[in-house]
Amino acid sequence: SQTIHQWPATLVQPVGSPLSLECTVEGTSNPNLYWYRQAAGRGLQLLFYSVGIGQISSEVPQNLSASRPQDRQFILSSKKLLLSDSGFYLCAWSMTGPSYGYTFGSGTRLTVV
Amino acid sequence: AQSVAQPEDQVNVAEGNPLTVKCTYSVSGNPYLFWYVQYPNRGLQFLLKYITGDNLVKGSYGFEAEFNKSQTSFHLKKPSALVSDSALYFCAVRDMASGTYKYIFGTGTRLKVLA
Repeated sequence: SQTIHQWPATLVQPVGSPLSLECTVEGTSNPNLYWYRQAAGRGLQLLFYSVGIGQISSEVPQNLSASRPQDRQFILSSKKLLLSDSGFYLCAWSMTGPSYGYTFGSGTRLTVV
Repeated sequence: AQSVAQPEDQVNVAEGNPLTVKCTYSVSGNPYLFWYVQYPNRGLQFLLKYITGDNLVKGSYGFEAEFNKSQTSFHLKKPSALVSDSALYFCAVRDMASGTYKYIFGTGTRLKVLA
């Protein structure tokens, strides 16, 4: 069966420090991968998505970047965190095709202090 | 433009009563509709989806949703609410226009089931 792992679960980082959040998927190949941010426990904002290795699409201009160095690995990064980067970050994967749902990771709570 | 709306920020219902969480959509072509639930500090969990076929879709935890094409709605329902159903619920539609199968999520509805 397919599983998705996301870590760490919580992170407190000072302003100006770098960030690396990792997400890996097991039990499938060539998944579509997504990074979302959820602010204030409500709406979901799509940050990045990837349909293949090295293929990253950015949805909004921001202080973050994403990479997909391997088929089932998706990394969210920042060189210098801002206070506004605080939030709940969610990784998700899906198969290609409109009828497939998403499977979400358990999320990372990032607090920038 | 494709969109999905959840008109209620919060829905309160007494335990044992039926519950409805509303969702309306606007898409070009056939809609692919989904419901997800999120418990505090957790990722979203898939509840059910409508792709084609029967307008009443049954999903996890006793939830069901009714697809209504004329009203462009996909309301989530449960005949008898449990306190444990209290959570944040998201409706989503596939963004077919972009060709990438991304979701368009609603803003979420917080369900509170009162004992």
